[in-house]
Amino acid sequence: DGGITQSPKYLFRKEGQNVTLSCEQNLNHDAMYWYRQDPGQGLRLIYYSQIVNDFQKGDIAEGYSVSREKKESFPLTVTSAQKNPTAFYLCASSPSPGSGANVLTFGAGSRLTVL
Amino acid sequence: GQNIDQPTEMTATEGAIVQINCTYQTSGFNGLFWYQQHAGEAPTFLSYNVLDGLEEKGRFSSFLSRSKGYSYLLLKELQMKDSASYLCAVVDSNYQLIWGAGTKLIIKP
Repeated sequence: DGGITQSPKYLFRKEGQNVTLSCEQNLNHDAMYWYRQDPGQGLRLIYYSQIVNDFQKGDIAEGYSVSREKKESFPLTVTSAQKNPTAFYLCASSPSPGSGANVLTFGAGSRLTVL
Repeated sequence: GQNIDQPTEMTATEGAIVQINCTYQTSGFNGLFWYQQHAGEAPTFLSYNVLDGLEEKGRFSSFLSRSKGYSYLLLKELQMKDSASYLCAVVDSNYQLIWGAGTKLIIKP
């Protein structure tokens, strides 16, 4: 079955550590996205990529980094520069960026807690 | 600025009908999505509206009025499994998604 796999589902980090969240898709989608979800707020875009080896900052990119070396993979690194990293992180993909009817398929999410 | 407003929480009874509203103010409009998200899980696609009117899909319907900047999601014959958050998102003029904070729907027996 096609889908998006995020790992790990739960992650604990000490302050000052970098962590990397994995996102893999086998849907052959061109575009991939990373969102952050906090209680009482809408999804906020961290980074997105429309093609391999290219990505753009979203609304809250500070303290995060990404890479897109393969079409299937879009890992997110939460660096020590991110001041408040405790959140639920969602990876998504879509087949046709730049169109209105661009339905996102989401992974199951990764919950990061900073101790 | 861009803004999407939805009620924070709603409660309804099993078997009843509930309407979840979404109002928006965005720079341009290229469509509106509704997603369902169960607690701790991924959002899943429910509907997409780009033209005015009502779109029906089984127990779920979605309505759009572009002139009023307004949409609603109508859920009929509510089931306990419909307890979830419902997210409204608008595609702006740059084809970026602007998300509402979501409406938590609680279904009581």
